Amino acid sequence: EADIYQTPRYLVIGTGKKITLECSQTMGHDKMYWYQQDPGMELHLIHYSYGVNSTEKGDLSSESTVSRIRTEHFPLTLESARPSHTSQYLCASSEYGAGVVGTGELFFGEGSRLTVL
Amino acid sequence: AQRVTQPEKLLSVFKGAPVELKCNYSYSGSPELFWYVQYSRQRLQLLLRHISRESIKGFTADLNKGETSFHLKKPFAQEEDSAMYYCALVRSEKLVFGKGTKLTVNP
Repeated sequence: EADIYQTPRYLVIGTGKKITLECSQTMGHDKMYWYQQDPGMELHLIHYSYGVNSTEKGDLSSESTVSRIRTEHFPLTLESARPSHTSQYLCASSEYGAGVVGTGELFFGEGSRLTVL
Repeated sequence: AQRVTQPEKLLSVFKGAPVELKCNYSYSGSPELFWYVQYSRQRLQLLLRHISRESIKGFTADLNKGETSFHLKKPFAQEEDSAMYYCALVRSEKLVFGKGTKLTVNP
């Protein structure tokens, strides 16, 4: 079944550890996005990709990095986690991108809730 | 700056009452606007887009360029409408979200 998957769903980790949040989609979408969401706050775009080997930083500055080696896979990495990285991270994908008139639908994963102690 | 503002963090209504979730935007040009919804323990998903002029689950939203608003309305709220609602604006082919409004429909 075509879907978008995020793992882990929940992660509690100590300061200084390296973490990777996985995001995979089986919908064949070229566009993929990472949003960060603090409780009660808006979603902030931190990374996006329009295709393989294409990655750009979003509106919110983030110390995380991403890669897009395969169409279906868009992992996010924090080399050294800090308590300020505690947040929910949402991965999304779309076929046409948000700006194409008449579409604009992003499909979201279930999210990865990260807690850094 | 191009952004959306949702002035109400929380909104509570009784079942059967009309509901309006407010969204104001700032954008130079013709905006593309959407409403996304997140029900409890479910993923964020598209509810409706202004370009389609559609009614989804009884909800409608009209783009008012004069007031730069895109309010979401439903004439008779149902308990299953309780959720987080996010207004979103397209900016450079990416979606910019508001802070969201938590709607609670009481029995």
